[in-house]
Amino acid sequence: DSGVTQTPKHLITATGQRVTLRCSPRSGDLSVYWYQQSLDQGLQFLIQYYNGEERAKGNILERFSAQQFPDLHSELNLSSLELGDSALYFCASSVEGGTGRQVFFGQGTRLTVV
Amino acid sequence: ILNVEQSPQSLHVQEGDSTNFTCSFPSSNFYALHWYRWETAKSPEALFVMTLNGDEKKKGRISATLNTKEGYSYLYIKGSQPEDSATYLCALFNNDMRFGAGTRLTVKP
Repeated sequence: DSGVTQTPKHLITATGQRVTLRCSPRSGDLSVYWYQQSLDQGLQFLIQYYNGEERAKGNILERFSAQQFPDLHSELNLSSLELGDSALYFCASSVEGGTGRQVFFGQGTRLTVV
Repeated sequence: ILNVEQSPQSLHVQEGDSTNFTCSFPSSNFYALHWYRWETAKSPEALFVMTLNGDEKKKGRISATLNTKEGYSYLYIKGSQPEDSATYLCALFNNDMRFGAGTRLTVKP
């Protein structure tokens, strides 16, 4: 158990809908990262937060947004869902945002858009 | 954005074989290089965090080296076992963390 908790584990929804994925980082970790893994693709970096502030942005669509709350949990909001958004979404956390400390991954949320 | 390349894409070896794969990057402008082991249906598990040119890390039968001057890191597995079968990911940690596509290792009994 990495200590990073993601909910829900599985999510099935229809095209055009909006969903929220939740991540609770390890206790004490200030930095949260979101990644998307689509079929046969690697881990694509979406966005990173550090202590409530957006730190870095990757290949995140405009239909997607995220935030990190004062208690450091993070939510990834996916709207106007398309079939191609079906993927495994990972959250990861680390103590610091820019010094290369070990990063721990959650178990992922598998999103299926039908 | 630093592009991380991993090779080979996949590798099939027999139990007992030693193997290695490569992570290459165009610039040494990053804080750290991470290696992860990712088994199907699980989350990526950290193996090594390497920061300095010439770093060598070892964990059991797995070891890694980092050469920032020539832009590569090697991951070695000695005496591969079927349980080593997984995808091995390399990532560069700068202000964010970017992953390579991984090397999928299959070890046949």
